[in-house]
Amino acid sequence: NAGVTQTPKFQVLKTGQSMTLQCAQDMNHEYMSWYRQDPGMGLRLIHYSVGAGITDQGEVPNGYNVSRSTTEDFPLRLLSAAPSQTSVYFCASSYSGPNTGELFFGEGSRLTVL
Amino acid sequence: GENVEQHPSTLSVQEGDSAVIKCTYSDSASNYFPWYKQELGKRPQLIIDIRSNVGEKKDQRIAVTLNKTAKHFSLHITETQPEDSAVYFCAARGGNTPLVFGKGTRLSVIA
Repeated sequence: NAGVTQTPKFQVLKTGQSMTLQCAQDMNHEYMSWYRQDPGMGLRLIHYSVGAGITDQGEVPNGYNVSRSTTEDFPLRLLSAAPSQTSVYFCASSYSGPNTGELFFGEGSRLTVL
Repeated sequence: GENVEQHPSTLSVQEGDSAVIKCTYSDSASNYFPWYKQELGKRPQLIIDIRSNVGEKKDQRIAVTLNKTAKHFSLHITETQPEDSAVYFCAARGGNTPLVFGKGTRLSVIA
């Protein structure tokens, strides 16, 4: 099993550009989520999904969109990038719902918005 | 929603000493409390977790204690080694909401 795979690992954008961070897992996890990590701020939840076709907002959802058309994939879209979205993004998944079981993280995607 | 406070933000200990990191949570309905370790440039990984029906759990040199009355839980690392140097995150789940993380503690073990 590859676990949780994120692409790209690094990305530089200009303000106003759009992009999609890809996340895929091969563990048949129902629950998937996106976090951003900023210095001194810990891991903050952006969006999450408890299954295909279902998504919900986390703590910091503004400026981001998600969709969950399959169990395996959970892409994160930035529609118009802003410097405040410079961060390291982690995708994470787990068995069952969001409240039980170990969260497995991807390797992270470092995004810089100029 | 749930709010998790973590202290201290940085911690330096001599190799072989113990390290303690403390967290408090706000939602009395929380019943799952994991701890994650993140080495520099790596992804967070679960090192130990505890559920609300248990007061303490140990795994070799690490242990977690939970006080539901006071709504706080702690990570204890004994006989620290240089490879324990990392950022540690506590987390809690509040009822049916997703996992909420503390802001992290950067532990440095000085040889």
